[in-house]
Amino acid sequence: GAVVSQHPSRVICKSGTSVKIECRSLDFQATTMFWYRQFPKQSLMLMATSNEGSKATYEQGVEKDKFLINHASLTLSTLTVTSAHPEDSSFYICSASLQTGNYEQYFGPGTRLTVT
Amino acid sequence: AQKVTQAQTEISVVEKEDVTLDCVYETRDTTYYLFWYKQPPSGELVFLIRRNSFDEQNEISGRYSWNFQKSTSSFNFTITASQVVDSAVYFCALSETSGTYKYIFGTGTRLKVLA
Repeated sequence: GAVVSQHPSRVICKSGTSVKIECRSLDFQATTMFWYRQFPKQSLMLMATSNEGSKATYEQGVEKDKFLINHASLTLSTLTVTSAHPEDSSFYICSASLQTGNYEQYFGPGTRLTVT
Repeated sequence: AQKVTQAQTEISVVEKEDVTLDCVYETRDTTYYLFWYKQPPSGELVFLIRRNSFDEQNEISGRYSWNFQKSTSSFNFTITASQVVDSAVYFCALSETSGTYKYIFGTGTRLKVLA
């Protein structure tokens, strides 16, 4: 159980375009989803926390107008990178949490974004 | 402030050697969770273990073992008889137990096991 999927797994887009990444909890309802960014050979950095039906909470230094997060249902959150630039190229990982019990996060397989 | 330190950036060992990955954490919470994850070249995080702050028992799972010592705020991970397939980046993480239960990740240790 506790499977999280991400789509797409890889995406290449041109500079200036927007790209949407989906994160789905497949076998449980996730009240909270998290979005992380990981640059090559670096750690995971939390970008934002989203609760179903409410606005996401962004970490300091993350542009909320550039990284749009929508958590419209208990099984789906989306991250849209708007007007992407090469410096947005990164590995984006989502996680989902039941927010009960031990509040464990279940991680998706990640999406590798390359902006040309 | 909460913090996780993995001082070893990269470790290389020869197959069949034992290797210990260090993790030191800082927190003011009395209740917290600690985790270890493996990230192979594919990028997907693989969950290895979760430890509650009240459970200081060491754990062994096959070739993996974990040593949790609250007195030194450490949660070290040992791989016995390492194998080439163990080559990956390993992350230690600390979870808050308030608010949204965010995870704080260490910087990771890249383990290379040479044949």
